[in-house]
This record gives sequence, structure tokens and C-alpha cells, in this order.
Amino acid sequence: AQSVTQLDSHVSVSEGTPVLLRCNYSSSYSPSLFWYVQHPNKGLQLLLKYTSAATLVKGINGFEAEFKKSETSFHLTKPSAHMSDAAEYFCVVPRAQTGANNLFFGTGTRLTVIP
Amino acid sequence: GAGVSQSPSNKVTEKGKDVELRCDPISGHTALYWYRQSLGQGLEFLIYFQGNSAPDKSGLPSDRFSAERTGGSVSTLTIQRTQQEDSAVYLCASSSSPAPYTQYFGPGTRLTVL
Repeated sequence: AQSVTQLDSHVSVSEGTPVLLRCNYSSSYSPSLFWYVQHPNKGLQLLLKYTSAATLVKGINGFEAEFKKSETSFHLTKPSAHMSDAAEYFCVVPRAQTGANNLFFGTGTRLTVIP
Repeated sequence: GAGVSQSPSNKVTEKGKDVELRCDPISGHTALYWYRQSLGQGLEFLIYFQGNSAPDKSGLPSDRFSAERTGGSVSTLTIQRTQQEDSAVYLCASSSSPAPYTQYFGPGTRLTVL
């Protein structure tokens, strides 16, 4: 089964500085990968997804992620943090390549943005 | 259009009681999922429905948990004889196909077992 590891449980950045949230995946093939965001007391929202069409994926709110097979990584970045980016971020992979695609969630990274 | 809705938003119950949680998926979505989010376990898969196929129940933590999906639309997650460790946020998601298409999540039901 596929899985992901989020390397940081908490990241703190100043407003206007770059954001880097790290995720490594474990898979025997090139998987689909997702980043979801969860704002306080709100549901999960898809930020972006990788499905092998392009290694650099652009998402909503200025976020992007690059799939690097050689490093088995799918790190999430944003050039300039905004206060509204403060939330919990989850790196996600479908458990199986085919059939049911229940999702495996990483443990999450809480992003704090300092004014 | 309307997203995934869940009810109730909050549920407080006493240990040993049964609870039912409801999910209304996005209209036309054939796949429906239940997940649980708790402090100790993070986000974990519970059960998956796809059309008229038998559900994938591989994530249900015990036989006290069950779910059904009527008419290929609304789903109910039932927890019997609730325990304190069942306290969590229960999330429902739906997608238009079982392949790795985007899953759209509801706001969740926060269950507290006293």
C-alpha cells in the first residue's frame, strides 16, 4: 500500500516569506498525490493534485508542488505567505493504484503565519 | 452547486448509546467515503461505497461500526454502544468516480462520547 510522510508537524513563517511544507511518499509506482488544506473548524479543501501530467503542479491560492521521483518527494511551496494561509495541510495518496481509492493522509503540518 | 453536507454538525452522547451520522453527497457522485479524524489517530479511512458494488469496509475499527447507502445517494454511519475512544470528527467525502479523482469533503460531524 502507498503512504506519505510529512516531515514537519509544525511550520512557522513570517508573513511575506516563502512557505515550504515537506512530504515524502512511498510507492512502487508513480502515484497520484494530493495536498489538502483544513482551516480551523472548516472542511478539507483540495489545494492541488498530481496525476503524472506535469511534475510541477499549480494549485489554488498561489500554492504549487513539484513531484520529484528521484527524491520520492512532493513538497508544497508558496513564494509569499499570507495570514489567511494559516491552517493544517495534509499530503495525501490513494492507497491503491486501481479500484477503490480510499485516501491515506499524512499526519499533517500546521502552518503558522506571523504578522 | 451544493457541496457535501453532513448532519448533525455536533453530537454529544453518553457511553453505550447508539448514534447515527448522515451524509448527503454531491448530486451525481457515485463514490462516497467515510473518514475519521481524531487527535491520536489523525485522518483514517473507514468505509467506501461505489455505485451498487459491495462497500469496502476494510477501515471500520470494530463491528460496532456500520454504514449504509440508500438509493446510491445518502449514507448513514451508525456506531453502536459508543465508547469514549469513538470521540472524533467524522468526515464524509464524495467523488464522481473511483479512480483517483478529487474527493470533496463535507464539514464533518464532531462526536463527543461522555
